[in-house]
Amino acid sequence: AQRVTQPEKLLSVFKGAPVELKCNYSYSGSPELFWYVQYSRQRLQLLLRHISRESIKGFTADLNKGETSFHLKKPFAQEEDSAMYYCALPNTGNQFYFGTGTSLTVIP
Amino acid sequence: KAGVTQTPRYLIKTRGQQVTLSCSPISGHRSVSWYQQTPGQGLQFLFEYFSETQRNKGNFPGRFSGRQFSNSRSEMNVSTLELGDSALYLCASSLTSGRVGEQFFGPGTRLTVL
Repeated sequence: AQRVTQPEKLLSVFKGAPVELKCNYSYSGSPELFWYVQYSRQRLQLLLRHISRESIKGFTADLNKGETSFHLKKPFAQEEDSAMYYCALPNTGNQFYFGTGTSLTVIP
Repeated sequence: KAGVTQTPRYLIKTRGQQVTLSCSPISGHRSVSWYQQTPGQGLQFLFEYFSETQRNKGNFPGRFSGRQFSNSRSEMNVSTLELGDSALYLCASSLTSGRVGEQFFGPGTRLTVL
């Protein structure tokens, strides 16, 4: 069955430190994976998708099929990165499986 | 371009009642998806509508239903409300269905069932 797991509910890092938010998936085939972010009092919005292979706000994510992971990374965390992050795996059409989310706090 | 709008933003109902939530997608978007968000279960897919047809359905009881109008606006209905239906209901619109695209989320409707 398709599933997305985010093992960390809460993650705190100091400003300037590297950050990695973990995402593991279960999917048979070639997955497309997404990271969505929700800043305080804002809507859920797309951060990046693996197929575009771009860096958004300094974040990158690499699909590792061997480890079935799609971890989100940033070398130097900023205070404005504090938010809720969701890893998402699409099924057919626009049906997405979302992980339970990781709340990131960047300590000044 | 105006974003996805959802009405009402907050709703309080009692058990056994029914409720209708509304979602207006971004102009030109034909796909509307609905999600239930709770602290324990996170975001769970309810259903997707595209061109007035239900394209996908999640694992929710038949009390949850939806529809889409010719102008792409969508409504979801929950009948015989239960306490466990208390949640944030999110609507997301997308340009197309069948090919995965970016979903644009609305602010949500917070439903409280007493």
